[in-house]
Amino acid sequence: EAGVAQSPRYKIIEKRQSVAFWCNPISGHATLYWYQQILGQGPKLLIQFQNNGVVDDSQLPKDRFSAERLKGVDSTLKIQPAKLEDSAVYLCASSLAGEGIQYFGAGTRLSVL
Amino acid sequence: GDSVTQMEGPVTLSEEAFLTINCTYTATGYPSLFWYVQYPGEGLQLLLKATKADDKGSNKGFEATYRKETTSFHLEKGSVQVSDSAVYFCALIHSSNTGKLIFGQGTTLQVKP
Repeated sequence: EAGVAQSPRYKIIEKRQSVAFWCNPISGHATLYWYQQILGQGPKLLIQFQNNGVVDDSQLPKDRFSAERLKGVDSTLKIQPAKLEDSAVYLCASSLAGEGIQYFGAGTRLSVL
Repeated sequence: GDSVTQMEGPVTLSEEAFLTINCTYTATGYPSLFWYVQYPGEGLQLLLKATKADDKGSNKGFEATYRKETTSFHLEKGSVQVSDSAVYFCALIHSSNTGKLIFGQGTTLQVKP
């Protein structure tokens, strides 16, 4: 069974530029999560989708971050414009609806210079 | 709000030593508790879980017991190997929070031959 796929693995941009990350969850998983992991900290949830609807985006900085999950499968997370403090690893995870185990992708490491 | 606290790292051990990584949590009710592991260059992987008080989760020689009275979920292994070197994250899901994982800050384990 294929795992959660994310791309790119690494991205370096300058502040005020925009960037987008892509995630393909495990087939059949209705719930998709985006987490932000700053160096030395545990991951923090940014947004949670159930199919293509948003369940929780309470910690998403909506002035600069946006996310969508068209057709309830793939998802993209965008940052525009990026700030230095957005440097982090962005993790995508998926789970079966109503099931507690989340499966994580390898993440995208973003460096904002 | 809900939170997880882990012991500070890095933890450095010799091969075959006994491992304990402390984890305590703050939450109302009965959350589910997890240990995730992150090997270098890889995504988070579920190591073990426990869903109710006094449950013991175990996998790959690692164990953790859900202690409601001390709000703890300490990770233990009797004999560590070099291949266990990784970052370990304790986390919880509260039944009322839509499945969002709340992570501790992570503990780095280095095992020397």
